[in-house]
Amino acid sequence: AQSVTQLGSHVSVSEGALVLLRCNYSSSVPPYLFWYVQYPNQGLQLLLKYTTGATLVKGINGFEAEFKKSETSFHLTKPSAHMSDAAEYFCAVSRGGSNYKLTFGKGTLLTVNP
Amino acid sequence: SQTIHQWPATLVQPVGSPLSLECTVEGTSNPNLYWYRQAAGRGLQLLFYSVGIGQISSEVPQNLSASRPQDRQFILSSKKLLLSDSGFYLCAWSAGGNEQFFGPGTRLTVL
Repeated sequence: AQSVTQLGSHVSVSEGALVLLRCNYSSSVPPYLFWYVQYPNQGLQLLLKYTTGATLVKGINGFEAEFKKSETSFHLTKPSAHMSDAAEYFCAVSRGGSNYKLTFGKGTLLTVNP
Repeated sequence: SQTIHQWPATLVQPVGSPLSLECTVEGTSNPNLYWYRQAAGRGLQLLFYSVGIGQISSEVPQNLSASRPQDRQFILSSKKLLLSDSGFYLCAWSAGGNEQFFGPGTRLTVL
């Protein structure tokens, strides 16, 4: 079975500060990993994904994440927070291939203070 | 390009009334389709998924059902709504085992 743990249900940063959202996963097979962002009353939007290859993945809006197999982690970072980054962020894992389901973490609400 | 639609956007229904939420996808064929519910502070709960017309898998026992009458249409239904059915319902599609793409969601309030 797969699982995702997002450490910190709420993270608060100042505008211009580093954003670090933590995600650890558990998977019995090489995972596919995803980060999604959700703005209030909207659907989820894919930020970035890792399937195979380069372990540092760049996504939209200046976000990136690094797959670390030894730490079973896929933390999301952004060097400088912007007010528009305030949203809820979800990490997800799948087994890829013919497996159809994603397992989501419980989400981290990011607040950006002026 | 592919797009996914959900309607209605918001819905207020009395307890015991029926429910029908619709999701359609454009620009792709034979997608995998998913229904999720998002309750406040509880993350996303996968309710149903479908890999083809008439093929529905249920993830949790509940008061809801799903149907896929056409390749790109996915419907979430209930015969009698409960208070606990309130939440934000999201439809998503995927091609195989990769990322899922989400619709805008339906906010359901059961009173």
